[in-house]
Amino acid sequence: KQEVTQIPAALSVPEGENLVLNCSFTDSAIYNLQWFRQDPGKGLTSLLLIQSSQREQTSGRLNASLDKSSGRSTLYIAASQPGDSATYLCAVVSFGNEKLTFGTGTRLTIIP
Amino acid sequence: DGGITQSPKYLFRKEGQNVTLSCEQNLNHDAMYWYRQDPGQGLRLIYYSQIVNDFQKGDIAEGYSVSREKKESFPLTVTSAQKNPTAFYLCASSIFSAIDLQGDYGYTFGSGTRLTVV
Repeated sequence: KQEVTQIPAALSVPEGENLVLNCSFTDSAIYNLQWFRQDPGKGLTSLLLIQSSQREQTSGRLNASLDKSSGRSTLYIAASQPGDSATYLCAVVSFGNEKLTFGTGTRLTIIP
Repeated sequence: DGGITQSPKYLFRKEGQNVTLSCEQNLNHDAMYWYRQDPGQGLRLIYYSQIVNDFQKGDIAEGYSVSREKKESFPLTVTSAQKNPTAFYLCASSIFSAIDLQGDYGYTFGSGTRLTVV
């Protein structure tokens, strides 16, 4: 059974710093990995999707990488801003279980 | 604009009452999903449907029911059999099963319904 872990559960950094969020998964047989953002009391907003054949995806200040063999993905946020404060979730779709399996998220706080 | 609409935003349920949460999408997506979110537990799959008139149980289907009579709509009923229904409910959709398209397409989520038992 696929398990997705995100460490740390919470992170606080000063504004302007670059930061990395981590996601690990136990079964490398995945179709894709998706990073989401969730603001308090809101739904999920998709940030980046990496297909299993890809190594990374970029959107603006965000860069997500995928290393299937080690079961890891990272989300890099450059020049952090207070508006980046939110919970970040990663999720994978695995072979034989074509639904999203979520990590429990990292709650990010950017300190002005 | 295309997207997923969930209603209502807030819902209150009395003990022993069934309530229905609405989820409508205009993205022409084939697959739709219901997730439950509790603090500290992440998102858990309740039910999913990949085609009209067909749906499958997820990890925590007990006490819930769904229907998929139209491609655009996937309502979730929380029955009185669900003993701890207070949670945040999220509906999602995707174009096809990941198997069909080798994982090219991701999921789109609605803004959620917060259900509280009173």
